[in-house]
Amino acid sequence: EAGVAQSPRYKIIEKRQSVAFWCNPISGHATLYWYQQILGQGPKLLIQFQNNGVVDDSQLPKDRFSAERLKGVDSTLKIQPAKLEDSAVYLCASSLDPSGAKLFFGSGTQLSVL
Amino acid sequence: AQSVTQLGSHVSVSEGALVLLRCNYSSSVPPYLFWYVQYPNQGLQLLLKYTSAATLVKGINGFEAEFKKSETSFHLTKPSAHMSDAAEYFCAVSESIAGGTSYGKLTFGQGTILTVHP
Repeated sequence: EAGVAQSPRYKIIEKRQSVAFWCNPISGHATLYWYQQILGQGPKLLIQFQNNGVVDDSQLPKDRFSAERLKGVDSTLKIQPAKLEDSAVYLCASSLDPSGAKLFFGSGTQLSVL
Repeated sequence: AQSVTQLGSHVSVSEGALVLLRCNYSSSVPPYLFWYVQYPNQGLQLLLKYTSAATLVKGINGFEAEFKKSETSFHLTKPSAHMSDAAEYFCAVSESIAGGTSYGKLTFGQGTILTVHP
């Protein structure tokens, strides 16, 4: 079974530039999550989708971050404009149902903002 | 509000020794508790979870954890460490959604890096 796919693996940008991350969840997983993991900290939930609808985006900095999941499969997370404090690993996870009992994580995209 | 504290950002043990990774939680309602492991250059993987059934939970790779409500703890143990156990371990908590079966939003601890010496 293929896992959660994320790209790119690494990204380096300058502050005020924009960046986008892509995630393809495990086939059939209706629930998709984006987490931000800053160095030395645990992952923090940014947004949760159920199919193509948003379940929770309370911790998403909406002035600069946006996410979409058109057609309820792939998802993209965008940052515009990026700030230095956005440097982190962005993790995508999916689960078969919205209960959250078992999440499957991708390897993440490591973002460095200079 | 829920929170998780992992005591010790780094733990070092010898191969064959007991592994003990500490986790304390704070939750306003009965919690669900999880341990995830992250190997280098890989995504997080679920080790085990507590969901209000048996307080002693067994997971993959010989790990287990015990839920102690009186101590608000969910420590992870393994009787004998193996070199392949070297990784970063995350404890996480979620609160049950009233009237439903959803586990809700996961809140992670800051992680504990386990090093295993030959």
